[in-house]
Amino acid sequence: GAVVSQHPSRVICKSGTSVKIECRSLDFQATTMFWYRQFPKQSLMLMATSNEGSKATYEQGVEKDKFLINHASLTLSTLTVTSAHPEDSSFYICSARDPQTARETQYFGPGTRLLVL
Amino acid sequence: LAKTTQPISMDSYEGQEVNITCSHNNIATNDYITWYQQFPSQGPRFIIQGYKTKVTNEVASLFIPADRKSSTLSLPRVSLSDTAVYYCLVGPTNAGNMLTFGGGTRLMVKP
Repeated sequence: GAVVSQHPSRVICKSGTSVKIECRSLDFQATTMFWYRQFPKQSLMLMATSNEGSKATYEQGVEKDKFLINHASLTLSTLTVTSAHPEDSSFYICSARDPQTARETQYFGPGTRLLVL
Repeated sequence: LAKTTQPISMDSYEGQEVNITCSHNNIATNDYITWYQQFPSQGPRFIIQGYKTKVTNEVASLFIPADRKSSTLSLPRVSLSDTAVYYCLVGPTNAGNMLTFGGGTRLMVKP
């Protein structure tokens, strides 16, 4: 199936710093990518929908000024956690739909583990 | 988006067939049913997708009754490596539609 990559796989940062996470679709073009957050022992929670060439759509309760999303090309979306705090420590996962597959299955990246000290 | 209900957890033994049922009473006409598998610290992996009746691939089978208000993921002869969380998701497949994850089913396969 289609491949979605994320970079970095894990990051440790100090409180107050900003962290950028990249999500790439490696063998298909994705006009839409999604960002999820997952806390330990919990399910994935959708944070925002990233649209190529336009502003992202954020879910209720997700601060758009704190979680900056840029979808500059058809294969890359970035999530920047600004002024990170320990409560932002989580597993961040992106996904993308491959519009060329028969039913446009959503493919997920391997995730990025963020630890804010 | 249709809400789904799955058992929180299931236990099984190696070599057994495992059936995980998901309820989605308010599934819409244009909704498909998709199952994902997630190992710890990894992103979910697509297993199977279906609309009605039965779908089978090299990994699993998906059984969907005529009313489509539920579905059953069947894993034949599970092994220890099948220990994971399995998510049932329901929604349309047109581009741009996000998936809403329920709680998932934590499957533990024992030796």
